[in-house]
Amino acid sequence: AQTVTQSQPEMSVQEAETVTLSCTYDTSESDYYLFWYKQPPSRQMILVIRQEAYKQQNATENRFSVNFQKAAKSFSLKISDSQLGDAAMYFCAYRINYGGSQGNLIFGKGTKLSVKP
Amino acid sequence: EPEVTQTPSHQVTQMGQEVILRCVPISNHLYFYWYRQILGQKVEFLVSFYNNEISEKSEIFDDQFSVERPDGSNFTLKIRSTKLEDSAMYFCASSESGTGMAFFGQGTRLTVV
Repeated sequence: AQTVTQSQPEMSVQEAETVTLSCTYDTSESDYYLFWYKQPPSRQMILVIRQEAYKQQNATENRFSVNFQKAAKSFSLKISDSQLGDAAMYFCAYRINYGGSQGNLIFGKGTKLSVKP
Repeated sequence: EPEVTQTPSHQVTQMGQEVILRCVPISNHLYFYWYRQILGQKVEFLVSFYNNEISEKSEIFDDQFSVERPDGSNFTLKIRSTKLEDSAMYFCASSESGTGMAFFGQGTRLTVV
């Protein structure tokens, strides 16, 4: 069975600094997607970034980037120049790719990020 | 920007009552999902829906749950006889075929008293 593990229940970063959130996953599949979702206090789930497993290049979205290590089954999120608005719960998620068909998302337990002014 | 819309944002119901949670997915999306998040816990998959039928469901999605797409735009989750442990945030999501990207609604907070 696929699992997603986030080993850091809480993290803290100073405003304008960089922070890295860890995520590991377990799967026997070779074709899948990985995601980071942000959940602010409003509890809405906001997609931050995604990575397709067959792409070696790490995904980036403005201040957000990932370090995808497929062999190690590691998918960390780096937030550069942290802002107060980045404070939220961050969930790592995995989804198998059925070649165009759907698959459900499997989430980690989340990391609560605090940003200090 | 297109978005998934859920109503109501907060629902309070008495134990044993039926509730219907509503979702309007993004218009060109073909796959629809319900997830739930009990307070303080991770998000859990409930069910996925494609081509007017359930394509996958979790062990949480038992006989008290049902989903329906009553018209061309709405996607509903019905809980027939609510229990205290059904109190949670329920998220609807939708995705296009094969992109792997699910967009979530803002959630419905269900409180069973």
